[in-house]
Amino acid sequence: QLQLQESGPGLVKPSETLSLTCSVSGGSINRSDYFWGWIRQPPGKGLQWIGSIYYNGTTYYNPSLNSRVTISVDTSKNQFSLKLSSVTAADTAVFYCARDSEVLAAFDSWGQGTLVTVSS
Amino acid sequence: QSALTQPPSASGSPGQSVTISCTGASSDVGGYDYVSWYQQHPGKAPKLMIYEVSKRPSGVPDRFSGSKSGNTASLTVSGLQAEDEADYYCNSYAGSINSWVFGGGTKLTVL
Repeated sequence: QLQLQESGPGLVKPSETLSLTCSVSGGSINRSDYFWGWIRQPPGKGLQWIGSIYYNGTTYYNPSLNSRVTISVDTSKNQFSLKLSSVTAADTAVFYCARDSEVLAAFDSWGQGTLVTVSS
Repeated sequence: QSALTQPPSASGSPGQSVTISCTGASSDVGGYDYVSWYQQHPGKAPKLMIYEVSKRPSGVPDRFSGSKSGNTASLTVSGLQAEDEADYYCNSYAGSINSWVFGGGTKLTVL
């Protein structure tokens, strides 16, 4: 059974870069029918797609975050990562990694989420 | 890229049916049959309930159904049960470099 697990610092200072990693187990990230995505949810608010990456490194980002986001993949470790630069308090959120299925055109498997707070 | 519009809340009694709407534009909901719905219980990760407008993943009860007309998609939950009480989010493909847009979410209360 596929499992995704987010990891990274739970506290980031304003203006710094938020870095998270998603470790995938129970299946290979190196597949042509899936993208791998990041979605965030500010406390008490809705979901926002951040971006997705293909196993070959092709990336797609939310246009509203494009200038601050970098998503990368490490197929040897079966992981993909998120970097969000110049963070502010408005970036405080639960961050989820998820499998973006090309076949279903949907996010069909999610990590449990990790809360990242931006504060000095 | 604007969020899709959902009613903030919906409610129904056990056994009843409730429908949640999700309104977008011709550039997202109306332009593609790639609408999905997610159920989220408090403190939990979202769970895929409907994909490609009306298809159910394995394991999702057939009480959950989806449809679309023009720029508005809908999720119907029939035979409401206590465990259906949760937040529900719609999501649509929005073209332009493979982007995705979510709705603001609807809190479903089972009375």
